[in-house]
This record gives sequence, structure tokens and C-alpha cells, in this order.
Amino acid sequence: GDSVTQTEGQVALSEEDFLTIHCNYSASGYPTLFWYVQYPGEGPQLLFRASRDKEKGSSRGFEATYDKGTTSFHLRKASVQESDSAVYYCALEDYNQGKLIFGQGTKLSIKP
Amino acid sequence: GGIITQTPKFLIGQEGQKLTLKCQQNFNHDTMYWYRQDSGKGLRLIYYSITENDLQKGDLSEGYDASREKKSSFSLTVTSAQKNEMAVFLCASSIAGQNYAEQFFGPGTRLTVL
Repeated sequence: GDSVTQTEGQVALSEEDFLTIHCNYSASGYPTLFWYVQYPGEGPQLLFRASRDKEKGSSRGFEATYDKGTTSFHLRKASVQESDSAVYYCALEDYNQGKLIFGQGTKLSIKP
Repeated sequence: GGIITQTPKFLIGQEGQKLTLKCQQNFNHDTMYWYRQDSGKGLRLIYYSITENDLQKGDLSEGYDASREKKSSFSLTVTSAQKNEMAVFLCASSIAGQNYAEQFFGPGTRLTVL
């Protein structure tokens, strides 16, 4: 079946560091890919999505590019802030069954 | 805009007890979901419902029942709580039958079983 793999379970950075969280997927065709962010005490919320090869999604300084060749959708940010501390989930859409498949999540901690 | 309300916010139960979690949404969305969130395991789908009175099993449905009483509400029942179980249950909703549909999540119910 379709699946999503996030390599990093936890990432610890300092303010203004560069962030990369790796996301690889396994699915046929061109599923829509998503990044969700979950702040403490809240439910996840959509950061952005992409649905075509080479399409870039972006929001709040975060970005990711849909890469069909490497089946990846890595999340990057050039300069992280303490307020970016959260859990980040990569997900893909199983349109036929009307559901999302989530990765394991990556907890990002930023030291001031 | 809209909002998803989950009750209760915290739920403490005893081993073997039957426990019910409730979710309400005012987005007028057709599809609703229940997920279980465990540290290091991401979000796992328990049940979802495409429309009122519809139920679809997710990957983690064993040990749970669900009920979609009306379009705006979706309940989840833990049929027999497991000792030392701790997890957060998240409810979500989205528009049905639409590509790239965003799911909107509630704040969660945190379950602890003694």
C-alpha cells in the first residue's frame, strides 16, 4: 500500500539555522503531497501542499518541492525561529479512498 | 471559518471500561475522521465517515466503534480500555470528493487509562 517515511524523529537546532526534514513516499501516479504542522496543545494544520512534479509549495518561510524522480517532498527553511518549534507531518492523499496517509512526524525544537 | 470541538479534553478511564469521545464540526463538511496519535508513530486512521450514517474502517479500527449520528457530529468509542494506555485522539473533517482537500483538525482528547 501507499506509505510516507520521515527520516528524522527529532531535530534540534538553534535560531537562524537551516532546516531540512526529509520525506519520501511510495505511491503510484501523482498523489497530492502535504505538510502539516502541529503546535503544542493544538491539532495539526495545513502548512501547504503540491500535486504535480516539480511544483513548489510554500508558506511562512517553509518550502518543499514535489520530486517524482526521487519520490520526495523534503521540507526546508532557511532560517528557523523559536516559534517554529512544533511537530511536522508529511502526508499523501489516497484519493480513491478519500483519506490521508501520514508519516511518523518530526519534532522540531529550536534553542533561542 | 469554522471550528471543530472535541469533548472531553482529558479522559481518564479504568482498564476494561467503555469510553466515548465526541466531535462536532460547523464547517458543514461531509467527511469526518478519527485518528490516534502516539509519539513516534504519527497519525493513524481509526474510522472515517464520508457522509451521515456512513462508516469506513481505517488501519486501526480493532478495539473501537464509531457513530456518525448527523452531518456535524462523529463519535468514537473505545470498547475496552487497555491498562496503561495513553494516546491523543484527533478528530478532523474535510469536503468530500474534492482533490487536494484540506483536513481541519480539532485540538484532541487526551486519554489515560489507569
